[in-house]
Amino acid sequence: AQSVTQLDSQVPVFEEAPVELRCNYSSSVSVYLFWYVQYPNQGLQLLLKYLSGSTLVKGINGFEAEFNKSQTSFHLRKPSVHISDTAEYFCAVSEWGAQKLVFGQGTRLTINP
Amino acid sequence: EAQVTQNPRYLITVTGKKLTVTCSQNMNHEYMSWYRQDPGLGLRQIYYSMNVEVTDKGDVPEGYKVSRKEKRNFPLILESPSPNQTSLYFCASSFSGSGGDTQYFGPGTRLTVL
Repeated sequence: AQSVTQLDSQVPVFEEAPVELRCNYSSSVSVYLFWYVQYPNQGLQLLLKYLSGSTLVKGINGFEAEFNKSQTSFHLRKPSVHISDTAEYFCAVSEWGAQKLVFGQGTRLTINP
Repeated sequence: EAQVTQNPRYLITVTGKKLTVTCSQNMNHEYMSWYRQDPGLGLRQIYYSMNVEVTDKGDVPEGYKVSRKEKRNFPLILESPSPNQTSLYFCASSFSGSGGDTQYFGPGTRLTVL
């Protein structure tokens, strides 16, 4: 069965600084990978996803993530964050052919002015 | 506007009093799912449905029931709520059950069981 570990529960950064949110997964088969964002008092929305092809995936709001199969990682990055990026970020994995989406524990990103 | 709606958004109830949280989507999606979100645990799947009259257990189904009589609706039923079901609940839908599909989430229902 697949599992996801988000290595940081909270990440504080200053505005306009770069940020990386780390995600590692475990699975014995090929997977799809996702990052979802949850703004305060809202539901989750998709930031980006990796299905196949290029390992560098670009998403909304200037975020990107890189799939590294050998390290079973899918870290999320943004070169310069804004106050509006304050949210909780969830990494998720789904095995090929499966209906189940498994989420990590979440990383709370706090942007300080 | 394409969306997933949930009602109620907030609910405080007492142990043992049956309740239903409704979920509806207007995107003609086949796949629908319920999750609960607890601090430090992320989202865990309660039940899912591949289509009308087809439902199956997720990771934490105990104490919950679901039904899928219409494609657009997927209510979550707690027949005898207990305090350990205090949580934030999300309904989600996607076009199909294919693992690569994007799931669209409702705004959440915050449930407190006293």
